[in-house]
Amino acid sequence: QKEVEQNSGPLSVPEGAIASLNCTYSDRGSQSFFWYRQYSGKSPELIMFIYSNGDKEDGRFTAQLNKASQYVSLLIRDSQPSDSATYLCAVKVGQAGTALIFGKGTTLSVSS
Amino acid sequence: GAVVSQHPSRVICKSGTSVKIECRSLDFQATTMFWYRQFPKQSLMLMATSNEGSKATYEQGVEKDKFLINHASLTLSTLTVTSAHPEDSSFYICSAPTRPPSNEQFFGPGTRLTVL
Repeated sequence: QKEVEQNSGPLSVPEGAIASLNCTYSDRGSQSFFWYRQYSGKSPELIMFIYSNGDKEDGRFTAQLNKASQYVSLLIRDSQPSDSATYLCAVKVGQAGTALIFGKGTTLSVSS
Repeated sequence: GAVVSQHPSRVICKSGTSVKIECRSLDFQATTMFWYRQFPKQSLMLMATSNEGSKATYEQGVEKDKFLINHASLTLSTLTVTSAHPEDSSFYICSAPTRPPSNEQFFGPGTRLTVL
């Protein structure tokens, strides 16, 4: 059974700090990895996706992928109170058009 | 970017009634759409894959006769919750992947269903 694991948190960081969110997945056939942010009562919104091993940076966000360890992470630099939300890790096994498998999410709280 | 809409955004109904939720891709065609359900403080769970022009594929444990899916066109999929009960109260979200080579999926804003 395909599984995506995340620490539910809450993860609490002060404003301006780096928040580190982690995710592991069970299926070695996983090909694409996504990080979504979800505010309470809202639909998930895509932050980043990563396909290849290594780091991918986009503004304050950096996604890191290690397929050998089946591990993907998201770093948020200069954390802001508006970053407080639940962060969902999602994995796609297969080609385009395949559904995503989501982790339970990590709740991040950034205090001012 | 691509936009997916859902209607209604919120619905309250009595137990035993049926509720239809629409999911539309506004600026792209989607031969496949996905329906997810999310209970409070839980993750999104895939319910079914909606396929334009053919039957939907349901995940294990999801009753196909209770959750009717119709993918009538390349921009519209509907989910009907038949004979809804309080345990069906949840947040229902659809998503649609864009065509290759893009690998992105775009989510609708979700529908909050409350069954009294």
